[in-house]
Amino acid sequence: NAGVTQTPKFQVLKTGQSMTLQCAQDMNHEYMSWYRQDPGMGLRLIHYSVGAGITDQGEVPNGYNVSRSTTEDFPLRLLSAAPSQTSVYFCASSNLAGLNTEAFFGQGTRLTVV
Amino acid sequence: KQEVTQIPAALSVPEGENLVLNCSFTDSAIYNLQWFRQDPGKGLTSLLLIQSSQREQTSGRLNASLDKSSGRSTLYIAASQPGESATYLCAVRGPRYSGGGADGLTFGKGTHLIIQP
Repeated sequence: NAGVTQTPKFQVLKTGQSMTLQCAQDMNHEYMSWYRQDPGMGLRLIHYSVGAGITDQGEVPNGYNVSRSTTEDFPLRLLSAAPSQTSVYFCASSNLAGLNTEAFFGQGTRLTVV
Repeated sequence: KQEVTQIPAALSVPEGENLVLNCSFTDSAIYNLQWFRQDPGKGLTSLLLIQSSQREQTSGRLNASLDKSSGRSTLYIAASQPGESATYLCAVRGPRYSGGGADGLTFGKGTHLIIQP
């Protein structure tokens, strides 16, 4: 059971470039989320999805797009990378929001924008 | 808005000591509380999940308690080992109307734990 898989693990982008961070889970979880982790800021929610075809914004959505065409995959797109998007990105999944749900996290993608 | 605070921010203890990490939250309307471990450059590994109806949860030398009414949780580590040096994160899950994050999950900033050999 692979759990939550993120690719790539590391990425360097130039300002203005676009890219997609991949996230896949094999636990048939309805709920998937993207967070960014910055020193002194903790984990902040970017976007989340409660099921295929449904997405919504979190705390810091600007500059990012998401889509959820399947239950398994939840890619995060950076439209035009900026140095402020240098961060570590984590994808998480869980069974339904709320009751009795344990969140599972991927290993993260370390992104540097120069 | 739900806020989660972890104290201390950093802790250094010699090997073999018992230690307590603290987590407090401002809104008691939670479904559960989860403790995670994060090693440098790695993802988050779930350690313990406590449902709102539970008072404590144990896994090996780890024991987590929850006092929902006072908004507090502790993670107790018995006989600490150098391999347990890591950052420990507390997260609460609650209904969205309580402001507990758009997906109901709010994190503390973590306690950076160093266990000296």
